[in-house]
Amino acid sequence: DAGVIQSPRHEVTEMGQEVTLRCKLISGHNSLFWYRQTMMRGLELLIYFNNNVPIDDSGMPEDRFSAKMPNASFSTLKIQPSEPRDSAVYFCASRVGNQPQHFGDGTRLSIL
Amino acid sequence: GENVEQHPSTLSVQEGDSAVIKCTYSDSASNYFPWYKQELGKRPQLIIDIRSNVGEKKDQRIAVTLNKTAKHFSLHITETQPEDSAVYFCAASKNNAGNMLTFGGGTRLMVKP
Repeated sequence: DAGVIQSPRHEVTEMGQEVTLRCKLISGHNSLFWYRQTMMRGLELLIYFNNNVPIDDSGMPEDRFSAKMPNASFSTLKIQPSEPRDSAVYFCASRVGNQPQHFGDGTRLSIL
Repeated sequence: GENVEQHPSTLSVQEGDSAVIKCTYSDSASNYFPWYKQELGKRPQLIIDIRSNVGEKKDQRIAVTLNKTAKHFSLHITETQPEDSAVYFCAASKNNAGNMLTFGGGTRLMVKP
């Protein structure tokens, strides 16, 4: 049973570049959550989708961040242009019905 | 919005001792409280959760208690083992379905052999 799959696992890029993080939901799950984890701010919810529809994006830091669900099993989180303060571990999680959220292994992003 | 405070931020115990981590929440409408364990460089993994219709839940060496009146909940780990060493996060959510989790700041638990 495959869990939530995130790619890439690590990303190092220079500031100003576009960054795209990817997430594949667990088969059958219909809710998708993007989190950011830093030492200073802990685990923060950025945005979540239910049945491909964005429900709450109040955690998205600014317009440089955008997230999409082009289909029921896949999501992207894009940062354009990236800045050093965006460096963090980005997790996505998925769930279905009344079940708990299951996290992916995360993407460790470093913006130089 | 919801605010979740977690204490202590670090906790060191001797193997075999018990460990207790406490969280408080601000929104009385919150009714779902999961606990996640995160080992270094790994994903957060759910270890136990409790819903507001019960006051206590136990799973082997792990238990969680909830006091809705005081708006606090606690994680209890008995007979700690070195492999329990990790960062533990509590979270709260307003609906039983677990959407919109607000996480506490985390507790780094170190179990000394």
